[in-house]
Amino acid sequence: DAGITQSPRHKVTETGTPVTLRCHQTENHRYMYWYRQDPGHGLRLIHYSYGVKDTDKGEVSDGYSVSRSKTEDFLLTLESATSSQTSVYFCAISEGTAWDYGYTFGSGTRLTVV
Amino acid sequence: SQQGEEDPQALSIQEGENATMNCSYKTSINNLQWYRQNSGRGLVHLILIRSNEREKHSGRLRVTLDTSKKSSSLLITASRAADTASYFCATDDAGNMLTFGGGTRLMVKP
Repeated sequence: DAGITQSPRHKVTETGTPVTLRCHQTENHRYMYWYRQDPGHGLRLIHYSYGVKDTDKGEVSDGYSVSRSKTEDFLLTLESATSSQTSVYFCAISEGTAWDYGYTFGSGTRLTVV
Repeated sequence: SQQGEEDPQALSIQEGENATMNCSYKTSINNLQWYRQNSGRGLVHLILIRSNEREKHSGRLRVTLDTSKKSSSLLITASRAADTASYFCATDDAGNMLTFGGGTRLMVKP
């Protein structure tokens, strides 16, 4: 999607290994979000950021950490991957607050933990 | 937890027909948004309706919002096969983030 890219697009990893997913934006938007999408659960917020080095937890943050050292990059790390973290991960960006602006989503990263 | 719940979960119609999806939510909101997701892709923002608006149009899309019933509907008129996708409502009930419903899977048959 224009202005936002996720990498990798697909990844298979083993249980217990750390994994880092990257979200990169060229829109200079302040807000960035990580969601996971699972059948039967819709999209659930993992972590979000409202500026460089400013992050906060979402609904399903256990087992995940994030970092944002630059406006354009928001990294999601699975400390020690488990099979329950097999999911499709989406990054989203927003120009402003959720009540004024919509999100632009990346194309997603499909992560399989075996 | 899902703030918004879409109904129906799945909908199958013929090309040219209208498709209506509904969303119910639990708490007060500033706005409600609708998104489309094509298979294997990210979500795409369709329309945003504010809590003081009752109806909004965008091309073949018509969205209504009834804050007294905490519900919204998305109408796609004269549907096309390319409208086949999942549709999600999202609300800003939790501050600077959106909470998404489980989605309605729409199939438009040629």
